This record gives sequence, structure tokens and C-alpha cells, in this order.
Amino acid sequence: SQTIHQWPATLVQPVGSPLSLECTVEGTSNPNLYWYRQAAGRGLQLLFYSVGIGQISSEVPQNLSASRPQDRQFILSSKKLLLSDSGFYLCAWSWGVGNTEAFFGQGTRLTVV
Amino acid sequence: GEDVEQSLFLSVREGDSSVINCTYTDSSSTYLYWYKQEPGAGLQLLTYIFSNMDMKQDQRLTVLLNKKDKHLSLRIADTQTGDSAIYFCAESNTDKLIFGTGTRLQVFP
Repeated sequence: SQTIHQWPATLVQPVGSPLSLECTVEGTSNPNLYWYRQAAGRGLQLLFYSVGIGQISSEVPQNLSASRPQDRQFILSSKKLLLSDSGFYLCAWSWGVGNTEAFFGQGTRLTVV
Repeated sequence: GEDVEQSLFLSVREGDSSVINCTYTDSSSTYLYWYKQEPGAGLQLLTYIFSNMDMKQDQRLTVLLNKKDKHLSLRIADTQTGDSAIYFCAESNTDKLIFGTGTRLQVFP
């Protein structure tokens, strides 16, 4: 069976510090991978998605970047965090063909102080 | 670009039916989904409907799709306190999965 791991669960970082959130998927190959951010009152915003190693599509211009160094690893990064980067970050994967049901990680609560 | 809109809040009495509405803009959407998010957790798929269908029923859940108006709804029959959560509408076309703003459903006794 497939599983998705996302860590850390919570993170408090000062403004200007770097960020690295990691997400890995097990039990499948060549999944589509997604990073979403959930901010209060703004729903679930698609930040990045990837259909393969090294292929990253950015949906929203921002202070963040994503990388996919391995087939089942998706990393969300920032060189310098802003207060506005605070939120609940969710990683997800899907088979990406036909019915693109997405399976989500448990999320990372990021607070930038 | 794609946009998916929902009302933010819905409050219902236990045992009543809940109807959560969603509108979307991408006419080429192939699948439309309803996801549920428990507090502090990720999302879980509740049900989905293919774009060439008008209705889908799954136990207490009924999904209605009006493709002409780009309107999707989720009806929960006999709503229970355990149904309290945030419900997200989502649409997909090829590889992207776009979510709505989410509707927080509160069920009171």
C-alpha cells in the first residue's frame, strides 16, 4: 500500500531564516506530487506540482521554491522566510492519470516569528 | 486561471441535511471532488464525480453536478456531529488539482 510522510509536523522559525520541508511517498512510482498551503480564510492554495523528477510547476509567485531530487521525494524550501509564509503546508500525491484522487500528508504547521 | 469558490461557513442541526455548494470556472474539468478535513489534519477524499455525470449517491452523500452552470453540490443526509469538518471542493484537468476555499460545517445538537 502507498503511504506519504511529511515532516516536521510543527515548525517555528524566525523571519529571514531558511526553510526545508520534506515529503516522501512509499509504495508507488512516478507519482504526481503537490505542495499546498492552507491559510486562514483562504482555502487550499496550490503552490507547486511535479509530474516527474526535476519537473516543477509553480502556481503562485512567492518566496518559496520546490525541488524533486528523487522520484518520490518533494522538498519545499525558502532562503529567507517572511511573516506571510506562516500557514499549514500540505504535501500530496496522486497517480496523475485519469481520476487524479490525491492522498495527503498530515501537514506542517509553520509559524514565522 | 482556474478558480473554485465555496461559502465559508455552514451551520446545521444534528439530523438535518447539509448542502455545501461550490462553483468552478474551468469548463474542461474532467473530475470534481469533495474532500473532508478534520481539525489539524490532512484531507481525505469523500467522493468524486466524473464530468459527464449529473448525480452520484454514496450512502449519506449525494453529489449533484450542473455542468452548464459549473456548479457542484454535496448533500449530507442525517448530518451527525462527526460530520463537523471543513469540506473542500476540487477540480482536476490532467495533472493539476485545484481546491476551493473550503466550507466549515458545524453541526449542533
